[in-house]
Amino acid sequence: EAGVAQSPRYKIIEKRQSVAFWCNPISGHATLYWYQQILGQGPKLLIQFQNNGVVDDSQLPKDRFSAERLKGVDSTLKIQPAKLEDSAVYLCASSPGQGVTDTQYFGPGTRLTVL
Amino acid sequence: AQKITQTQPGMFVQEKEAVTLDCTYDTSDPSYGLFWYKQPSSGEMIFLIYQGSYDQQNATEGRYSLNFQKARKSANLVISASQLGDSAMYFCAMREVGDYKLSFGAGTTVTVRA
Repeated sequence: EAGVAQSPRYKIIEKRQSVAFWCNPISGHATLYWYQQILGQGPKLLIQFQNNGVVDDSQLPKDRFSAERLKGVDSTLKIQPAKLEDSAVYLCASSPGQGVTDTQYFGPGTRLTVL
Repeated sequence: AQKITQTQPGMFVQEKEAVTLDCTYDTSDPSYGLFWYKQPSSGEMIFLIYQGSYDQQNATEGRYSLNFQKARKSANLVISASQLGDSAMYFCAMREVGDYKLSFGAGTTVTVRA
């Protein structure tokens, strides 16, 4: 079974530029998550989708970050304009559902550097 | 308040020995799940083991076992017979009923020495 796919793996941009990340979850997984992981810290949830609807985006900086999952499968996370503090690894995860026992499986992440 | 606390920033272990990684959690929810993930230098978060709050027995998965002490709110990960490939960052995480996200600890770096 294929795992969670993410692209690109690495991205370097100048501040104030825009950037987009793509994620394709495990087939059949209804729930998709985007996490931000700053160096030396645990991941922090940015947004969660159930199928194509947003469940939780309370920690998403909506003035600059946006995300969509239009057909309930793959998803795109965008930052516009980027700031220096956005330098982090962006992890996508998916799970069959959103119950307590549902394990989240993570992709390889996208390492973003903002100069 | 921190929901997950990992007090060991880094640990060294000799190859073939066992190592215990500490994790304490804070919740008033009776139903929750505890997870351990491994993150090698490549960056991917790899799921290792799961323990449910109502599980009577400690979870085991190959060389990984979870020492679950509910009254103390601790869920320590034990890695037996350490291998060089076990060198990585290890994260403890919790998910509560009604709170969809995983709350992660700060992680523990494990370095296995030959």
